[in-house]
Amino acid sequence: EPEVTQTPSHQVTQMGQEVILRCVPISNHLYFYWYRQILGQKVEFLVSFYNNEISEKSEIFDDQFSVERPDGSNFTLKIRSTKLEDSAMYFCASSLTPGGEGEQYFGPGTRLTVT
Amino acid sequence: SQKIEQNSEALNIQEGKTATLTCNYTNYSPAYLQWYRQDPGRGPVFLLLIRENEKEKRKERLKVTFDTTLKQSLFHITASQPADSATYLCALDPNSGYALNFGKGTSLLVTP
Repeated sequence: EPEVTQTPSHQVTQMGQEVILRCVPISNHLYFYWYRQILGQKVEFLVSFYNNEISEKSEIFDDQFSVERPDGSNFTLKIRSTKLEDSAMYFCASSLTPGGEGEQYFGPGTRLTVT
Repeated sequence: SQKIEQNSEALNIQEGKTATLTCNYTNYSPAYLQWYRQDPGRGPVFLLLIRENEKEKRKERLKVTFDTTLKQSLFHITASQPADSATYLCALDPNSGYALNFGKGTSLLVTP
């Protein structure tokens, strides 16, 4: 069964450093997403990406965040200058249809620890 | 402001019983409502989707109801098994087109 993959599984970085989280969505999916989950809290929407551009973003997704689909398979989230409060689990997801219309397939997540 | 509320307390039930989880929402008019399962340290896994014009949806031992008047969805697992122990998340479409907004989830523990 096709699945979303994410690398690395765990990233430790120092405050102020840049990190890039990588995802390979399911190959025939059209919509791509990043979510985050701070320990013990709910899954929060960050951004969606469709047709090579951001289709929607939340208030959390400020200027320090960016997304890119550099080739036909990868989807990346860059955090330019990490803060302690960026420590969280970051999930990539993909879907055939947008938003709530259809199921979203989530990856296993990247645990980001900012020290 | 928009809110999605799920039972904050863990639900403990005996194997074989039916588990019922609640999702209440305010300031949403969702066209769709979804339920996901999340195991510790893992990504959410899709379970069921129900549309605003559907009252009930079933899949194997799972049943979801959607009452847009009460602004509530109920999620039932019949003949529960220890393997059903996990956190169950309710997710709503805020009509923005792309996002899914999640509740905090309810932890279910099924004991033998």
